[in-house]
Amino acid sequence: NAGVMQNPRHLVRRRGQEARLRCSPMKGHSHVYWYRQLPEEGLKFMVYLQKENIIDESGMPKERFSAEFPKEGPSILRIQQVVRGDSAAYFCASSPQGTPGELFFGEGSRLTVL
Amino acid sequence: AQKVTQAQTEISVVEKEDVTLDCVYETRDTTYYLFWYKQPPSGELVFLIRRNSFDEQNEISGRYSWNFQKSTSSFNFTITASQVVDSAVYFCALSEFNQAGTALIFGKGTTLSVSS
Repeated sequence: NAGVMQNPRHLVRRRGQEARLRCSPMKGHSHVYWYRQLPEEGLKFMVYLQKENIIDESGMPKERFSAEFPKEGPSILRIQQVVRGDSAAYFCASSPQGTPGELFFGEGSRLTVL
Repeated sequence: AQKVTQAQTEISVVEKEDVTLDCVYETRDTTYYLFWYKQPPSGELVFLIRRNSFDEQNEISGRYSWNFQKSTSSFNFTITASQVVDSAVYFCALSEFNQAGTALIFGKGTTLSVSS
């Protein structure tokens, strides 16, 4: 399966712990996006990265959230000191260069904060 | 500001019925893209279609068809002869034109349930 791979699929954390979500884009894709889906809501853009660069983080909360896409390895979305309101499905998507909007999504990582 | 409205939260139909999912958008851009994605129970989002604002031709792909009307800012999606496998959440989305990496603005989705 050469699709976008996200792990873990499900993650449970207690308030105050850290959550790390990983995303491996499709082969040949150099653009990675993170979206968050709250219950009964559509997807909200969080951040757009290319290798080693954050291009647009306008949708990312200013505190506790960070993202990276290193030269080697998967993209990581990191949430520090999680709170109950962080419970959501986090989707990663990738696209080939120069293809606006045609995003290929992973199956999502569902974070539950107790 | 850009906005996508999917007024239908849930729709239930019986197999073989036709069903139309509505999508209304707002944008100040003169050029933009519109999309539909399907989210089956497994969770991943599946790309269905992308249309640019210059092309108002309706499109048909098998049992799926899309009606883009710029005059009413709508991009509706029709499934003909629905099947149980069509049960999913369907999202309409909007983005600026010709900018790689531009964020998609999603509607809240319409949950379609097709019963046999």
